[in-house]
Formats: sequence, C-alpha cells, structure tokens
Amino acid sequence: AQSVTQPDIHITVSEGASLELRCNYSYGATPYLFWYVQSPGQGLQLLLKYFSGDTLVQGIKGFEAEFKRSQSSFNLRKPSVHWSDAAEYFCAVGGNSGYSTLTFGKGTMLLVS
Amino acid sequence: ETGVTQSPTHLIKTRGQQVTLRCSSQSGHNTVSWYQQALGQGPQFIFQYYREEENGRGNFPPRFSGLQFPNYSSELNVNALELDDSALYLCASSLVGGGADTQYFGPGTRLTVL
Repeated sequence: AQSVTQPDIHITVSEGASLELRCNYSYGATPYLFWYVQSPGQGLQLLLKYFSGDTLVQGIKGFEAEFKRSQSSFNLRKPSVHWSDAAEYFCAVGGNSGYSTLTFGKGTMLLVS
Repeated sequence: ETGVTQSPTHLIKTRGQQVTLRCSSQSGHNTVSWYQQALGQGPQFIFQYYREEENGRGNFPPRFSGLQFPNYSSELNVNALELDDSALYLCASSLVGGGADTQYFGPGTRLTVL
C-alpha cells in the first residue's frame, strides 16, 4: 500500500530564511510525487511534481523539490520565505498509470514570523 | 481555460439527511476524483470516475456514491449523513491518456453535519 509521511506538523520560519519541508513516501513501483499548498478554507494548488528525469524539480512561487530514491524522500525547499507563503503544505504520491489516485500526507503547517 | 469549479461552497445538513455536491472539471479533462478532507488531515480518496464509470474507490461505505456526466462534470452523493461526514470535499480533474496524470483541484465544498 502506498503511504506518505510528513514528520513535521508545524514549522515556524522567519521571513527571509530558508525552508525545507520533509516528505517520505512508500510506493511499490515508480512513484509520481507532488507538492500541493492549501491556504485556509481553500482548495489545493499544485506547486510542483516529479515524474521522471532530473531529480531536482522547480515549481511555482520559487519552490523546488528533490527526489531521492535511496531515501524515499521528496523534500520541498525554498531559499527565502515570504510572509505570503504561510499555508499548509501537502506531499502526495501517485502511480504512473493513467488511473492512479493520490495518497496524501497529513500536511505541514508553515508559519512565517 | 476554466479551472475546476465546485458547488455549493458551504452546506449545512442534519444527521440522516442526504446531500449532493457538484463539480465541473477543467476544460479538456476526462477524469474526476473526489476526496474528503477532515479537519487537520490530508485529503482521503473517495472514488474516481472516468468515462462515466467508477474507476476506483477508497475505503468509503456505499452510502457515498457518484456520477459522471457526458460533459465530464460529476456529482458526489452522500446518504444517511453522519456527524463524521463533516469535512471539506474536494474534487480534482485530470486527463487520462495524456501522459502523466496530474490532478487539479477545485476550491472544495465545506459540509457541516449537525
């Protein structure tokens, strides 16, 4: 069964500081990996995705993530956080077939001080 | 290109009632997935529809049912509502057969069961 673990429930970062949100996944085949962001009371916005190729992927809003197969990780990073980045971040894993569904982690709430 | 839309935005029902939530998929997408997001949790997969057929289902009871229409819009129906059904219901659309399967989410419907 596929699963996603986001070990940090809350993270507080000072504005202008760097950010790394952790994500570990379990999947029996080649995974598709995603990061979504959710502002309070809103739906999910796709930040970036990894399907294959370069293990460092760039997304919107200055975010990037690195796929490390040996560590089953897909951590999200941003070099300089802005106050508007405060939101909840979800990592998700899906399969590489056209009928796959997404399994989400429980999310990490980012607070910007 | 229009994104995924959902209606209504908010809904309040009482235990035992039935509810229908609606979703219009993004232009060009042929697959709709529904997710339930309880407070403080990540979204959980309910089911997926492709070409008007249920294509996969998560661990939800049969009182959760759905439909997909020829224009790829979709409905989620929940019968015999329970207090634990209170959640944000998210619809996501995607294009099957177009290569990598990326799901795009709507804003959600907040359901409160009293």
